[in-house]
Amino acid sequence: QVLLVQSGSELKRPGASVNVSCGASGYPFSNFVLNWVRQAPGQGLEWMGLVNPNTGNPFYAQDFTGRFVFSVDTSVGTAFLQISSLKAADTAVYYCARGSALDVWGQGTTVTVSS
Amino acid sequence: VLTQSPRTLAVTLGQPASISCRSSQTLLHSDGKTYLNWFQQRPGQPPRRLIYKVSARDSGVPDRFSGSGSGTDFTLTISRVEAEDVGIYYCMQDTHWPTFGGGTKVEI
Repeated sequence: QVLLVQSGSELKRPGASVNVSCGASGYPFSNFVLNWVRQAPGQGLEWMGLVNPNTGNPFYAQDFTGRFVFSVDTSVGTAFLQISSLKAADTAVYYCARGSALDVWGQGTTVTVSS
Repeated sequence: VLTQSPRTLAVTLGQPASISCRSSQTLLHSDGKTYLNWFQQRPGQPPRRLIYKVSARDSGVPDRFSGSGSGTDFTLTISRVEAEDVGIYYCMQDTHWPTFGGGTKVEI
């Protein structure tokens, strides 16, 4: 069974950093890119970009450059999203999803940024 | 840009329902395939892919869901709506770097 399991909810102060993990199982980790998708409260889905587990190379969508970093640890089949200098506008559910057509999704990680 | 309509769709149980997704540019890839997908998001849950490459149903997706279209115009059809179909539906293209439509809320 293909699964993506994400880390738990986070509450952070403005200006802090957060790390979200996405652990993959049930398939060869290096065979599929991993995407990150943001969903702000009551809003739609935004594609943030992806990381290629084979090369470690990330690609960031236009609105997600600078404070966002995608990485992978192939030894444990896990992808990571780091967001630095957090703002209230970063409050959202963050999802990881497999492959170019996002066929399998993690359960989501809620990041709340509040003073 | 993907534009979905309507934004909200009130449906009657057992009746058909259709959602439109229009792209600002063709989604026909140079490899001859069209990479248009449909997702369902039930309240409080992550999105689930229903349809890929315009009309191919994912495993476990009921056959009352079907996708059609070509080029820039696409449609998701539910042949007979059931109560469990309530949620928000998104189209997404990955012919180019992925983008999502704005979503259509389906309510009974």
